[in-house]
Amino acid sequence: AQSVTQPDIHITVSEGASLELRCNYSYGATPYLFWYVQSPGQGLQLLLKYFSGDTLVQGIKGFEAEFKRSQSSFNLRKPSVHWSDAAEYFCAVVASGSYIPTFGRGTSLIVHP
Amino acid sequence: EPEVTQTPSHQVTQMGQEVILRCVPISNHLYFYWYRQILGQKVEFLVSFYNNEISEKSEIFDDQFSVERPDGSNFTLKIRSTKLEDSAMYFCATGLAGSLEQYFGPGTRLTVT
Repeated sequence: AQSVTQPDIHITVSEGASLELRCNYSYGATPYLFWYVQSPGQGLQLLLKYFSGDTLVQGIKGFEAEFKRSQSSFNLRKPSVHWSDAAEYFCAVVASGSYIPTFGRGTSLIVHP
Repeated sequence: EPEVTQTPSHQVTQMGQEVILRCVPISNHLYFYWYRQILGQKVEFLVSFYNNEISEKSEIFDDQFSVERPDGSNFTLKIRSTKLEDSAMYFCATGLAGSLEQYFGPGTRLTVT
């Protein structure tokens, strides 16, 4: 069965530190990959997406993600975290031929001053 | 920037009551979706809607659920007889034709007592 795993439920970092949020998927073929962020009281906002081509994709708010086919991963990174980045982050996958995303459980990012 | 809006932000209802959750899509979007997120669990797909009919639905979307566009602008999710297990955050999302990107509303928190 298709699945998306975000192994970290909570991540705590200090402001200015680097960040990596993990996402692994299990699909038969390379799917379309997304990262969303949800700030308190807000909807899910698309940070970035990967469909094909360059495996390192840039998104909004200084985020980037790297698709690694051999590891079935699509980890989200940011070199220097800001306090405003504290939010819930969701990895999502859309199988080729579909348009319905399967979401991971989410990772809650806590930023310490 | 155009955004998806949802009302109410929080709804409390008694078991067995009917609820209607409302969504106002981005104006030129043609695809509409409902998702739910039970507290602490993944965001789950409920239903997609295009051209005034359901295009896909999940096993969660049983006969207790229905969707419609009553006036050509609002997109509603109705739960006919709510159960305790319907307590969740319900997200509306909309998208353009031919696009995998979905734009999410802020959600309605439904609490069934």
